[in-house]
Amino acid sequence: NAGVTQTPKFRILKIGQSMTLQCTQDMNHNYMYWYRQDPGMGLKLIYYSVGAGITDKGEVPNGYNVSRSTTEDFPLRLELAAPSQTSVYFCASSYGGTLYNEQFFGPGTRLTVL
Amino acid sequence: QQQVKQSPQSLIVQKGGISIINCAYENTAFDYFPWYQQFPGKGPALLIAIRPDVSEKKEGRFTISFNKSAKQFSLHIMDSQPGDSATYFCAASMSPLGRLYFGRGTQLTVWP
Repeated sequence: NAGVTQTPKFRILKIGQSMTLQCTQDMNHNYMYWYRQDPGMGLKLIYYSVGAGITDKGEVPNGYNVSRSTTEDFPLRLELAAPSQTSVYFCASSYGGTLYNEQFFGPGTRLTVL
Repeated sequence: QQQVKQSPQSLIVQKGGISIINCAYENTAFDYFPWYQQFPGKGPALLIAIRPDVSEKKEGRFTISFNKSAKQFSLHIMDSQPGDSATYFCAASMSPLGRLYFGRGTQLTVWP
């Protein structure tokens, strides 16, 4: 199993450009998450999904959009990129539920907006 | 508003020493408290986790101590090794959704 994969690994965007960060998991997890990580700030939840067709906002959703058409894929869309979106983005997945909620993280995408 | 507060921000320990990282929370609805370990250039990975019905959980050199009345929990790394040098995040979540709220992280450096 590859686990959680993310592409691209690095990207530089100009202000106002848009892009999609890809995330795929092969563990048949229902729950998927997008976080951003800024130095000294921990991980902040952007969006999450509890299953195909179901998404909801996290703590910092402004400037982002998501979709979940399949169990495996959970892309994150940035529209009109801004310097404040410079960050490292992590996708994660888990079985969800109440008993055991280990989240498995991808390797991250480092995004710079200039 | 930070749901989980973590300290210290950075920690330097000699090889063989004990590393201690502390976290505090306010929301008594949290029912799952994991610690994640992150190496440079990698995603976080689950290290150890505890539920509030126990006061301590040990896995090898890593121990979580949990104080429900004080709403605090801590990670103890015994016999710290240079390979333990990483950033450690505490987190908390609540049923049924299980979304994680992370602390800001502690950068641990273990000197040989």
